[in-house]
Amino acid sequence: AQSVTQPDIHITVSEGASLELRCNYSYGATPYLFWYVQSPGQGLQLLLKYFSGDTLVQGIKGFEAEFKRSQSSFNLRKPSVHWSDAAEYFCAVGMDSSYKLIFGSGTRLLVRP
Amino acid sequence: EAQVTQNPRYLITVTGKKLTVTCSQNMNHEYMSWYRQDPGLGLRQIYYSMNVEVTDKGDVPEGYKVSRKEKRNFPLILESPSPNQTSLYFCASSLTNNSPLHFGNGTRLTVT
Repeated sequence: AQSVTQPDIHITVSEGASLELRCNYSYGATPYLFWYVQSPGQGLQLLLKYFSGDTLVQGIKGFEAEFKRSQSSFNLRKPSVHWSDAAEYFCAVGMDSSYKLIFGSGTRLLVRP
Repeated sequence: EAQVTQNPRYLITVTGKKLTVTCSQNMNHEYMSWYRQDPGLGLRQIYYSMNVEVTDKGDVPEGYKVSRKEKRNFPLILESPSPNQTSLYFCASSLTNNSPLHFGNGTRLTVT
């Protein structure tokens, strides 16, 4: 069965430090990959997506993610975290011929001043 | 402004009292979906719709109904709510099945 794993429930970083949020998926073919961010009391907002092509994708707010087929991973990175980045981050996988989007359980990012 | 609108934002009800959560999108999207969000479980899909009069079950459809009579609206119906349906619910829409989803702001439902 297809699945998405975000192994870190919480991550705390200092403002200005770099960030990497991990995402691993289980799927037989190349999936469509997404990262969403959820601020408190809000719906989810798309940060970036990967469908095909260049495996390093740029998103909004200075985020990027790299698709590594050999590791079945799609980790999210940011070189310098801002306090406003504190939120919950969800990795999601869309299957080629399905209308089902599978979400990971989320990683809550806390930013120390 | 392009948006997905859910109502109500907060709802407290009692076991067995039928309720409907409305969802409307103004982007002419074909695909709409309902998710529930629970701590530690992420978002799980309840139902989705590929177009008018076309709906299908997601991963956790039990206890829920949906309808898609018009392209813009996709209400979620709980015929007989139970406490295990206490959750945060999100409606989402997209242009196609794998286009990015646009989410509503959520409906927090409490069933006592």
